[in-house]
Amino acid sequence: EAGVAQSPRYKIIEKRQSVAFWCNPISGHATLYWYQQILGQGPKLLIQFQNNGVVDDSQLPKDRFSAERLKGVDSTLKIQPAKLEDSAVYLCASSSSKSAGVREQYFGPGTRLTVT
Amino acid sequence: SQQGEEDPQALSIQEGENATMNCSYKTSINNLQWYRQNSGRGLVHLILIRSNEREKHSGRLRVTLDTSKKSSSLLITASRAADTASYFCATDARGAQKLVFGQGTRLTINP
Repeated sequence: EAGVAQSPRYKIIEKRQSVAFWCNPISGHATLYWYQQILGQGPKLLIQFQNNGVVDDSQLPKDRFSAERLKGVDSTLKIQPAKLEDSAVYLCASSSSKSAGVREQYFGPGTRLTVT
Repeated sequence: SQQGEEDPQALSIQEGENATMNCSYKTSINNLQWYRQNSGRGLVHLILIRSNEREKHSGRLRVTLDTSKKSSSLLITASRAADTASYFCATDARGAQKLVFGQGTRLTINP
């Protein structure tokens, strides 16, 4: 079974530039998550999709971050404009959870973003 | 906000010894999960324990859950160099429909 795919793996941009990350979840997984992981910390949930609808985006900085999940499969996360504090690893995860109770999540390799 | 807090933040032991990591949380949960993250890799799910379970095993891993104390522990027996990684607990709080990760314990296994 193919895992969660993410691209690019690394990205270096200057502050105020824009950047986009792509994620392809495990086939058949209804739930998709984007996390931000700052060095030395645990992952922080940015947004959660159930199929192509947003379930939770309470910690997404909506003035600069946006995300979409077209047709309930692939997803993109965009930052525009980027700030220095956005330097982090962006992790995508998927899960077969469809109802109450979160099941195990399967994570992609992440995209390491450096903002200079 | 981080609900789970792991203790210790860092742990260094000799190969073959047992490693114990603890996780404390604040609210009622549906389940608690443990994940491992090797250097440069994504997170890998290790084990899920439900709120009505007290202990669970998977290979060399043993997880306990005490809902009265709002705490969990992860025991790795007969550690190996490949166990060197960061270990995170993640809680699925009741009504939240999402996982909240702790800060992690950084485990180093010395040969």
